[in-house]
Amino acid sequence: GAGVSQSPSNKVTEKGKDVELRCDPISGHTALYWYRQRLGQGLEFLIYFQGNSAPDKSGLPSDRFSAERTGESVSTLTIQRTQQEDSAVYLCASSLAEIRDRDNFPLHFGNGTRLTVT
Amino acid sequence: SQQGEEDPQALSIQEGENATMNCSYKTSINNLQWYRQNSGRGLVHLILIRSNEREKHSGRLRVTLDTSKKSSSLLITASRAADTASYFCATDGGNTPLVFGKGTRLSVIA
Repeated sequence: GAGVSQSPSNKVTEKGKDVELRCDPISGHTALYWYRQRLGQGLEFLIYFQGNSAPDKSGLPSDRFSAERTGESVSTLTIQRTQQEDSAVYLCASSLAEIRDRDNFPLHFGNGTRLTVT
Repeated sequence: SQQGEEDPQALSIQEGENATMNCSYKTSINNLQWYRQNSGRGLVHLILIRSNEREKHSGRLRVTLDTSKKSSSLLITASRAADTASYFCATDGGNTPLVFGKGTRLSVIA
């Protein structure tokens, strides 16, 4: 596809269950980001992948959150033992560039996964 | 933590009027970017201004940057109903992921 694809678009889960969110970046994009957006709020950085480098996990809010990316392809964000406070839209973005080269390569976002924890 | 703070939080104007949104930030930056988000969608990159630039234009968009005041403004001229969206500024410190503000919700009434 031409853009960043995220699935599912909506997910309703019960408190305590695990969820897995998927992101397919634009082909050839080496950088991949996960952000969280609570209702009416800005974006909160979660994690960043760049090629084969170690990911920047500094934004993950707790050890219930983890993410993986295989090479320069699909990424999955996993939330274990979900809590109601995890309810938000989870946005994935990809870019051609490393962080230092971002002047010329802006982020391309998917439409997000809306997670509701009941 | 969020660095960019947009103001106003919400703005409602008539079609044809100009819309101005402001962004303030706290630390030094390499560049500042503006993104747009339609309801239920992801963000779309609009324009980037580097720290050594003061003004930049793209179509009906005009962005200014004042690094001494750590502030930026986004002006949309001759607004249209289709401009209705949330607008976010994002600061790029160079070695860290983009930091987004909370956004300005713009409503353009036809």
